[in-house]
Amino acid sequence: TQLLEQSPQFLSIQEGENLTVYCNSSSVFSSLQWYRQEPGEGPVLLVTVVTGGEVKKLKRLTFQFGDARKDSSLHITAAQPGDTGLYLCAGYMDSNYQLIWGAGTKLIIKP
Amino acid sequence: NAGVTQTPKFRILKIGQSMTLQCTQDMNHNYMYWYRQDPGMGLKLIYYSVGAGITDKGEVPNGYNVSRSTTEDFPLRLELAAPSQTSVYFCASSYSPTSGIQDTQYFGPGTRLTVL
Repeated sequence: TQLLEQSPQFLSIQEGENLTVYCNSSSVFSSLQWYRQEPGEGPVLLVTVVTGGEVKKLKRLTFQFGDARKDSSLHITAAQPGDTGLYLCAGYMDSNYQLIWGAGTKLIIKP
Repeated sequence: NAGVTQTPKFRILKIGQSMTLQCTQDMNHNYMYWYRQDPGMGLKLIYYSVGAGITDKGEVPNGYNVSRSTTEDFPLRLELAAPSQTSVYFCASSYSPTSGIQDTQYFGPGTRLTVL
């Protein structure tokens, strides 16, 4: 059982559509991070959210941390083929150095 | 800066063979990690190191060993390779646990290992 559940596991949509992916847990996290991984490469950090209810924007990507710090979402507006990749959420449960990872959402944006 | 580099990129091993996966970082990071990534399973921590000479087990350490003689290098050793070790292996580094919950991990490009 994954401590961080990501949904959907796979999403394929047309360019220009909007989408939301989710990262959920029954446990409280000190912070949550979102990484994007492209084929043949390692994950790259997109954002860290720390405060319950926090919203961060990165161009067309909007990240939200749940009020209770148990979940997070990533919303992409007007998706583009360059957004294609594996989106991973990861969280710190306390101040130690071990990240807990979700299994990822594989996103394909078709031209 | 090259960041985190890993060698080799690909490797095929026969059951029972051994090999070392190399990892080097040039960011002067204290913390280094080894993960494996299996399809649909996310990243699992194998071993980590908090500094030269200090290593500890992660979630899935069996069948692996590590050493950290310098700040820059963190090799992962596979002894007696088994098919269950077929996976993609990622090395990562981060600056300091004192940056705590906002610490960013920087990843290498990975090593794709197949054990037949």
